[in-house]
Amino acid sequence: DGGITQSPKYLFRKEGQNVTLSCEQNLNHDAMYWYRQDPGQGLRLIYYSQIVNDFQKGDIAEGYSVSREKKESFPLTVTSAQKNPTAFYLCASSILQGTFATNEKLFFGSGTQLSVL
Amino acid sequence: AQTVTQSQPEMSVQEAETVTLSCTYDTSESDYYLFWYKQPPSRQMILVIRQEAYKQQNATENRFSVNFQKAAKSFSLKISDSQLGDAAMYFCAYRGETSGSRLTFGEGTQLTVNP
Repeated sequence: DGGITQSPKYLFRKEGQNVTLSCEQNLNHDAMYWYRQDPGQGLRLIYYSQIVNDFQKGDIAEGYSVSREKKESFPLTVTSAQKNPTAFYLCASSILQGTFATNEKLFFGSGTQLSVL
Repeated sequence: AQTVTQSQPEMSVQEAETVTLSCTYDTSESDYYLFWYKQPPSRQMILVIRQEAYKQQNATENRFSVNFQKAAKSFSLKISDSQLGDAAMYFCAYRGETSGSRLTFGEGTQLTVNP
């Protein structure tokens, strides 16, 4: 079955530690995204990538880093610079049809809950 | 920058009745798309319905329909014959012509369905 796999489901971070959240898709999608979800704030875009070896900052990129070495994979690292990392993190992907907006939906993973010890 | 606002943090409805969730957005773009996503307790995001701004006809998917008022920048979701499985967080989202493939989400509305 095609889809997006996020791991781990739960992750705990110690102060000063970097942690990496995994996101893999087998949908052959060009575009991938990382969203952060906090209670009462909806989903906010952290980073996104529309092609391998290229990515752009979203609205709340500070304290995070990403890489896109393979089309299938878009890992997110939460660095020690992110002072409030506790949140639910969602990875998504979509078909990218040119540079114009489309009605293509996002496909989401099942998320990773990150907590601070 | 585009913004999406959901002014109802929580809503409730009796099973089999109808409920409407509100969404407004702010944009200067003329071409865009609007979406409603559902997030049940499993936290899996599921697309409910989508609307192209250039289409005057409101989108419908079974028991789900929208009331799209372009001039008012309003995009409400109506759920008819509500079922217990409709209980979830609902997010309104916007994608504009300058957004590329990015989506901007509202804050969400938590819907409770009472038996």
